[in-house]
Amino acid sequence: KAGVTQTPRYLIKTRGQQVTLSCSPISGHRSVSWYQQTPGQGLQFLFEYFSETQRNKGNFPGRFSGRQFSNSRSEMNVSTLELGDSALYLCASGSGQGAIRAMNTEAFFGQGTRLTVV
Amino acid sequence: AQSVTQLGSHVSVSEGALVLLRCNYSSSVPPYLFWYVQYPNQGLQLLLKYTSAATLVKGINGFEAEFKKSETSFHLTKPSAHMSDAAEYFCAVIPSGGYQKVTFGTGTKLQVIP
Repeated sequence: KAGVTQTPRYLIKTRGQQVTLSCSPISGHRSVSWYQQTPGQGLQFLFEYFSETQRNKGNFPGRFSGRQFSNSRSEMNVSTLELGDSALYLCASGSGQGAIRAMNTEAFFGQGTRLTVV
Repeated sequence: AQSVTQLGSHVSVSEGALVLLRCNYSSSVPPYLFWYVQYPNQGLQLLLKYTSAATLVKGINGFEAEFKKSETSFHLTKPSAHMSDAAEYFCAVIPSGGYQKVTFGTGTKLQVIP
């Protein structure tokens, strides 16, 4: 069974640009969660999708958005990039619904996308 | 609001020694608790989870954790450290009862000295 696939692995963008990150969950998983990891703030929950609907959202500005497609693949978009958006963005997939069940049934993480904003 | 505190951002142990990584949570109701491990340039891997069943939880790679409600703690232990245990470990918490946001601790980097 293939794991969670995040593309691209590395990305360099200029301040003010926008970026789209992709996450393909494990086959059969319908829940996808996104996290931002930085040395200063640690791991922070961005949002969670289940069956194409956002079920939960963290405390991030509206520049951060996401969506999920009918095949459960998810994309995350950040507009008007700031230097502080430089981070490792992790995606996790789970078979359950909601943050609790997704993690309760073992959320599987991808390797992440390393975004650098210059 | 829920929070989780990991004491010690860096912990060093000798190979073969006991590993103890501390995690305390703040929640009025016992939450769901998790330990994850992250190797360099990798995502997170679930080590173990507490979901209101047994208070002593056994996980992968010989790790275990004990939920102590009176101390609001969920410390991670392993009797004998291996070099391959060197990684960063994260404690995470979700309050019980409904869809909630997950909160991660700040992480503890474990160094294993040969």
